[in-house]
Amino acid sequence: ETGVTQTPRHLVMGMTNKKSLKCEQHLGHNAMYWYKQSAKKPLELMFVYSLEERVENNSVPSRFSPECPNSSHLFLHLHTLQPEDSALYLCASSQERVVEQFFGPGTRLTVL
Amino acid sequence: AQKVTQAQTEISVVEKEDVTLDCVYETRDTTYYLFWYKQPPSGELVFLIRRNSFDEQNEISGRYSWNFQKSTSSFNFTITASQVVDSAVYFCALSEGFYGKLTFGQGTILTVHP
Repeated sequence: ETGVTQTPRHLVMGMTNKKSLKCEQHLGHNAMYWYKQSAKKPLELMFVYSLEERVENNSVPSRFSPECPNSSHLFLHLHTLQPEDSALYLCASSQERVVEQFFGPGTRLTVL
Repeated sequence: AQKVTQAQTEISVVEKEDVTLDCVYETRDTTYYLFWYKQPPSGELVFLIRRNSFDEQNEISGRYSWNFQKSTSSFNFTITASQVVDSAVYFCALSEGFYGKLTFGQGTILTVHP
């Protein structure tokens, strides 16, 4: 595997389900990010992890819970989501926090 | 607060035409970074270029060129002799601060017709 991978690529869940999105980067980077991309809205930064420590939580509801067990893996745990949470969730990584970020293909989430 | 504006929501051109995508930004920082990303239909954002605030040199990479002007807070992107494969959504982004927080513009949908 190369670059940034995300699984699953598509996910459909009910409002009472619990699921997790996984991101893995194979670039040796030390920072990882979660973004949300909704229709007709700009990309929104959700969380930033640097050296496995969360350094930014961009006013994200508690039904989204990130986890970064090591510098290569990032998870987004989902529970009791709302239909408006349906979106493309993108993971990214970078070597330092101010240089270019490299993105994964995203997980297309649909909440019924 | 930082802000990125891409005034063109959609652009449609015919192959081989030149096309310029506009980007205007707002920031209070003196040190910042500007980026362009391409998002093809597959969904993955592809990094195209980074420009530092203290480097106003324009850059050319093949058919792509970028014009950075601090005086007008603009970072425009030109594709010369466009091709169908250039069809995608293009995002301009601004990074400031210590944690590399990227603020994206709304994106410009570029469609190149054969």
